[in-house]
Amino acid sequence: EPEVTQTPSHQVTQMGQEVILRCVPISNHLYFYWYRQILGQKVEFLVSFYNNEISEKSEIFDDQFSVERPDGSNFTLKIRSTKLEDSAMYFCASSGLQNEKLFFGSGTQLSVL
Amino acid sequence: GQQVMQIPQYQHVQEGEDFTTYCNSSTTLSNIQWYKQRPGGHPVFLIQLVKSGEVKKQKRLTFQFGEAKKNSSLHITATQTTDVGTYFCAGLIYGTALIFGKGTTLSVSS
Repeated sequence: EPEVTQTPSHQVTQMGQEVILRCVPISNHLYFYWYRQILGQKVEFLVSFYNNEISEKSEIFDDQFSVERPDGSNFTLKIRSTKLEDSAMYFCASSGLQNEKLFFGSGTQLSVL
Repeated sequence: GQQVMQIPQYQHVQEGEDFTTYCNSSTTLSNIQWYKQRPGGHPVFLIQLVKSGEVKKQKRLTFQFGEAKKNSSLHITATQTTDVGTYFCAGLIYGTALIFGKGTTLSVSS
């Protein structure tokens, strides 16, 4: 079965540093998402992306966050200046139809020290 | 902001017992989806319900969508140890994003 792949699986960074989380969505999917999950808590929506622009974003997705589809296969989440509270598992997801049957990647565990 | 409430937060059952988790929204939902996350894993799509009053079954799992399209439930008959994990409902409010509930973590002892 096709899958969403995310790299790296773990990322440790110092507070204030920039990080880029990478995702390769399923090839024929058109809708892309980032969610995050703080340990043991719910899956929180960050942003959705379609046709090279943001469709929807949450209050969490402030000016420190940005997303990009730099080429035909990658979808990235950049956090410009990380804070301690950004520590979480970040999941990328994609779908063939908007907000239907999301396929999630295995996640990137971000630890901000 | 928009919220999807889910109860209970945790449920422990003996193998063979039934399990139910409930999901509720204050806003009418366009659809509701259910996902399962195994410990240390990522959410995996189980099912989507769209119609008012819809009921769908997957083997021992029964999913319901309320008549008002504001609530949903997942019922597992005769739980097995392979059912352990966290079950999330995720509600789609018209024109916005898919919002996840806090999940119900199921543990099963044999």
